Amino acid sequence: AQSVTQLGSHVSVSEGALVLLRCNYSSSVPPYLFWYVQYPNQGLQLLLKYTSAATLVKGINGFEAEFKKSETSFHLTKPSAHMSDAAEYFCAVSDRNTDKLIFGTGTRLQVFP
Amino acid sequence: DTGVSQDPRHKITKRGQNVTFRCDPISEHNRLYWYRQTLGQGPEFLTYFQNEAQLEKSRLLSDRFSAERPKGSFSTLEIQRTEQGDSAMYLCASSPGQGVETQYFGPGTRLLVL
Repeated sequence: AQSVTQLGSHVSVSEGALVLLRCNYSSSVPPYLFWYVQYPNQGLQLLLKYTSAATLVKGINGFEAEFKKSETSFHLTKPSAHMSDAAEYFCAVSDRNTDKLIFGTGTRLQVFP
Repeated sequence: DTGVSQDPRHKITKRGQNVTFRCDPISEHNRLYWYRQTLGQGPEFLTYFQNEAQLEKSRLLSDRFSAERPKGSFSTLEIQRTEQGDSAMYLCASSPGQGVETQYFGPGTRLLVL
């Protein structure tokens, strides 16, 4: 069965600092991986996705993630945090047959001035 | 393209009552998904439709839950005899239905069962 694990339910950074949100996956087949962001009382918005093309994926709002098969990881990074990045971030793996998403438990990012 | 819409946005009900939620997907999106999200957790898959056919149901979807997508357009999710444990955010998403695609999420319906 496919699954994702997000290490760290809360991450706090200063504005301008590096953002690193961790995600490890488990999959018996090459996975499709996603990062979504959720702002308070809103639905989920796609940041980026990996579908077996380039291992370094660039997304919206300056975020990027690198697929590392040897580490079964898909960590999300942003070089310089902005106050508006404060939100909940979810890593997800997609079931290849149905495209249903299997989400991690999320990481809440706080950005301090 | 107006995005995925859900109605209502909030619902408060008493235990034992029935509730129905509606989801309008992005026009011409063939796949429609329902997820449930409880506090502090990621969304969990409930069910999905390919056009009007319901192709998979999670074990989370008890007999009290039923979903429909008549004519392959909007979808409804009904919960009968609600329980306090049903309190959650119910999210709907849609995708074109071909290959690995982005699922576009609606704003969700937040249900509180008293």
